[in-house]
Amino acid sequence: GQQLNQSPQSMFIQEGEDVSMNCTSSSIFNTWLWYKQDPGEGPVLLIALYKAGELTSNGRLTAQFGITRKDSFLNISASIPSDVGIYFCAGRGYSGGGADGLTFGKGTHLIIQP
Amino acid sequence: DAGITQSPRHKVTETGTPVTLRCHQTENHRYMYWYRQDPGHGLRLIHYSYGVKDTDKGEVSDGYSVSRSKTEDFLLTLESATSSQTSVYFCAIKALGQNTGELFFGEGSRLTVL
Repeated sequence: GQQLNQSPQSMFIQEGEDVSMNCTSSSIFNTWLWYKQDPGEGPVLLIALYKAGELTSNGRLTAQFGITRKDSFLNISASIPSDVGIYFCAGRGYSGGGADGLTFGKGTHLIIQP
Repeated sequence: DAGITQSPRHKVTETGTPVTLRCHQTENHRYMYWYRQDPGHGLRLIHYSYGVKDTDKGEVSDGYSVSRSKTEDFLLTLESATSSQTSVYFCAIKALGQNTGELFFGEGSRLTVL
């Protein structure tokens, strides 16, 4: 099956710092998604990307769909305590169908030190 | 809020016992999914449904069955639970018309099989 490599696995940063994380794939995707999961909750969709080269922002979050269609990046500017959580990337290939064809990364655990 | 309710939220059971998890949605979504989340594996698709009585297997379907007798409920059954099925289970719906059909997740059901 398709593989997604998400890095880093975890990040320890100071409040106010910028954060960058990325996902790479061995396959081409037509959609990239970024989710955030708080402890004890389900993942929440942050940003969806549908076009190679697309750059989309959601408040302090900015994500990009890589030109090669095999990678995506998420940046968080000026981190605050509520940014703590696990961030997942997900990619959708061209298989289509009801299974949705989504492959998830293993997550980046963001920890913010005050 | 995608109107998804999972029950039970927590369950402890013994090896060999049957377990049923319920996913209830209030917004008439056609597509529903069951994922499991495990450390080091991210989210993996178990089964999905594309309508009443229409279901199909996902990536990790062995040991699980599902049923969808009405639009609002999607049940996941472990006929004889094993310790390897200890996990957090997430239901998701595909919200068509929003973000061109991305997945929105419930809050999860934590299952421990002793």
